[in-house]
Amino acid sequence: EAQVTQNPRYLITVTGKKLTVTCSQNMNHEYMSWYRQDPGRGLRQIYYSMNVEVTDKGDVPEGYKVSRKEKRNFPLILESPSPNQTSLYFCASSFHLREDGSSYNEQFFGPGTRLTVL
Amino acid sequence: LAKTTQPISMDSYEGQEVNITCSHNNIATNDYITWYQQFPSQGPRFIIQGYKTKVTNEVASLFIPADRKSSTLSLPRVSLSDTAVYYCLVGDSAYSGAGSYQLTFGKGTKLSVIP
Repeated sequence: EAQVTQNPRYLITVTGKKLTVTCSQNMNHEYMSWYRQDPGRGLRQIYYSMNVEVTDKGDVPEGYKVSRKEKRNFPLILESPSPNQTSLYFCASSFHLREDGSSYNEQFFGPGTRLTVL
Repeated sequence: LAKTTQPISMDSYEGQEVNITCSHNNIATNDYITWYQQFPSQGPRFIIQGYKTKVTNEVASLFIPADRKSSTLSLPRVSLSDTAVYYCLVGDSAYSGAGSYQLTFGKGTKLSVIP
């Protein structure tokens, strides 16, 4: 089944304790992205990756790191989490192009990771 | 990046057609317009994407005027299961090798379908 998986789905941690949220997709997508969602603020992009070893900042990258060593995986790293990073996090992936070569932007989202930082 | 503006919320009765308009005055030449649907505690789901004029698929239609400064998502004969948040997204998805894939979601429109 084509899907984007995230782990863990729920996490409660304390300030300053490093954590990693994993994201994996089995669709051979080039593009992957992380978003956070907070009440009343919609979805905000944290980081994105256009391909292996190519990453770039989104709208709210402060306090986060990412890596893209393999095409299928795009982990989100919080080196020193703080309470303002308590949020619902989504990973997404997509192809760059349709099969006919035209532009394409259908992102497939994971189920989300609910993170609480105390 | 083109910012988007949508109504915060809309109510509709079952069986009616719903039109949600999104403004994107600063849309760039390479930008596509994409709409997503999100149910509570789930990831967004792609509905439809377009560049100009009209696009239709099995779930919705997307109307884009010639100036592309706005777009309208049309949901025919909504049901209770269409109650969700709908996001309009404008971004450069043209793969030029130098294009940016930074994508910005707005706050979305919360659609409530009433029995």
